[in-house]
Amino acid sequence: AQKVTQAQTEISVVEKEDVTLDCVYETRDTTYYLFWYKQPPSGELVFLIRRNSFDEQNEISGRYSWNFQKSTSSFNFTITASQVVDSAVYFCALSELGNSGYSTLTFGKGTMLLVSP
Amino acid sequence: EPEVTQTPSHQVTQMGQEVILRCVPISNHLYFYWYRQILGQKVEFLVSFYNNEISEKSEIFDDQFSVERPDGSNFTLKIRSTKLEDSAMYFCASSGSGRGMHEAFFGQGTRLTVV
Repeated sequence: AQKVTQAQTEISVVEKEDVTLDCVYETRDTTYYLFWYKQPPSGELVFLIRRNSFDEQNEISGRYSWNFQKSTSSFNFTITASQVVDSAVYFCALSELGNSGYSTLTFGKGTMLLVSP
Repeated sequence: EPEVTQTPSHQVTQMGQEVILRCVPISNHLYFYWYRQILGQKVEFLVSFYNNEISEKSEIFDDQFSVERPDGSNFTLKIRSTKLEDSAMYFCASSGSGRGMHEAFFGQGTRLTVV
């Protein structure tokens, strides 16, 4: 069975600090996908990144970067020079590729990030 | 930019009443989903829908729930007899304009409050 663990329930930082959100996953499949979503106070879910299990290259997008390590089943997310607008709940999610070409997401419990000025 | 649209944004209903939550997925997407998020908890999968039938459903998706794609654009979730514990944010999502894995794009959610 799939499982996603986000051990950090809440993180508080001061603006301009770097912050890393941890995500550890469990799956029996060799083919799977990992995601990060952002949920701001307004409630919607905003897609941030998708990563497949065969691509362990780290990715950087502006102030965001992701570190995928299959050896430790982790897919951590770092925000550099955090800003107040980064305050949100961040969800890590996992999906396994089904035979029909679709799959469903298993979400972690989320990490609430609070960035204060 | 294409987006998933959900209506209403907030619905209040009395226990035992039927509610229909509506979604308009992204137009060329083939896979549709409903997820639920009880306040302060994680997002949970309810059901996926492809080619006009349910592809997969979770244990949460019992007989009181049903989904339908009544026309070419809408995708609805019906809860027949609402219970207090159905109060949650319901997210519709769509993905995939072809075979393979695609990221799911979520609507802004419908907050259902059962009183």
